[in-house]
Amino acid sequence: AQTVTQSQPEMSVQEAETVTLSCTYDTSESDYYLFWYKQPPSRQMILVIRQEAYKQQNATENRFSVNFQKAAKSFSLKISDSQLGDAAMYFCAYRSQVGLTQGGSEKLVFGKGTKLTVNP
Amino acid sequence: DAGVIQSPRHEVTEMGQEVTLRCKPISGHDYLFWYRQTMMRGLELLIYFNNNVPIDDSGMPEDRFSAKMPNASFSTLKIQPSEPRDSAVYFCASSLLPSSGYTFGSGTRLTVV
Repeated sequence: AQTVTQSQPEMSVQEAETVTLSCTYDTSESDYYLFWYKQPPSRQMILVIRQEAYKQQNATENRFSVNFQKAAKSFSLKISDSQLGDAAMYFCAYRSQVGLTQGGSEKLVFGKGTKLTVNP
Repeated sequence: DAGVIQSPRHEVTEMGQEVTLRCKPISGHDYLFWYRQTMMRGLELLIYFNNNVPIDDSGMPEDRFSAKMPNASFSTLKIQPSEPRDSAVYFCASSLLPSSGYTFGSGTRLTVV
């Protein structure tokens, strides 16, 4: 079974600076999908960014980008120009390439999360 | 679109009582997921549906938990009887294409005393 590990329970960053959150995963598959979700104090889980394993180019969404290292099974999230509104729990998640129609599963496997604090 | 709608937002109940959590997915989304979030275990998949049919319920803790999806716009998660260890945040999520990610509801915080 796939597992996702976030080794940093907590991180902090100064407003306007850059921070990187780490995520590693364990899988025997060659193709899969990776996600970062944000959970602010409001509790809502919000999709931040998505990466398809077969794409070598790292995904970016405005101030958010990933460093996807497939061989190392690493998927870190970089937040540039940090803002107070970025303060939240961040979860890394894995989804198998083998979906339901191919006899697999559609479930996401989540890491335990990293709590990010943004200091003014 | 109003997004995934869950109710109630908070629920406090006494041990032994029946609890029903409700979810309305985004219209057109074929997949519906129920997750539970606790400090100790993080986010765990309980069950998911595709086209109203339960596909994987291996995460349902025990017979006290049941989930239904009578139609494409409504699902329930029922706990009977409830126990203090069921206290958690329960999320519903829906998706048109899971490889693109899920849309989550705001969750129901359940406290069993």
